[in-house]
Amino acid sequence: EIVLTQSPGTLSLSPGERATLSCRASQSVSFSYLAWYQQKPGQAPRLLIYGASSRATGIPDKFSGSGSGTDFTLTISRLEPEDFAVYYCQQYGSSPWTFGQGTKVEIK
Amino acid sequence: EVQLVESGGGLIQPGGSLRLSCVASGFTVSSNDMSWVRQAPGKGLEWVSLIYSGGGTYYADSVKGRFTISRDNSKNTLYLQMNSLRAEDTAVYYCTGYISGHPYWGQGTLVTVSS
Repeated sequence: EIVLTQSPGTLSLSPGERATLSCRASQSVSFSYLAWYQQKPGQAPRLLIYGASSRATGIPDKFSGSGSGTDFTLTISRLEPEDFAVYYCQQYGSSPWTFGQGTKVEIK
Repeated sequence: EVQLVESGGGLIQPGGSLRLSCVASGFTVSSNDMSWVRQAPGKGLEWVSLIYSGGGTYYADSVKGRFTISRDNSKNTLYLQMNSLRAEDTAVYYCTGYISGHPYWGQGTLVTVSS
């Protein structure tokens, strides 16, 4: 089983700052099948990035994904109030599919 | 447009059974990989089960032997049969489909296991 470790657990930043979220896999993720999701309270997860670096439809270009193999990064270039939420990574390249534990981006 | 709509959730007593359904539109369930993901109250996302387009099925250890994933090609629908339900199975259950490496999610259905 591929274990995904997200860091940091909580990121305290101010609006306008840049956020860098990490997702490290215990083994190489096949086909770079790594997705990032944003989730706000009471809502379903919203797909941001799939295939490690492809933005989903309607996602602004302030969100970018990078990485391959075992190290992946989600970058939010300039935080806006609506970006404060919990972010999860998921690998779907090999079963069992797995999620990271999440990174909470909170207002400093 | 790809759409996934779950149904079948509700309140069930411990030890009971429930079947979740996920009706897909805009793509063919049998031609793509499909999975179920759940989220317990206040917790993170947990992958539950998946069925590959080729028919192979996989389960999380926490549900193995109790849950069964299946699909009905004629109805373009994914199912999750849940037996021997426990309090710790209480969660929102999401149906997800993966089309050429692109994930799609439904809005979820709540399952509450309680006496």
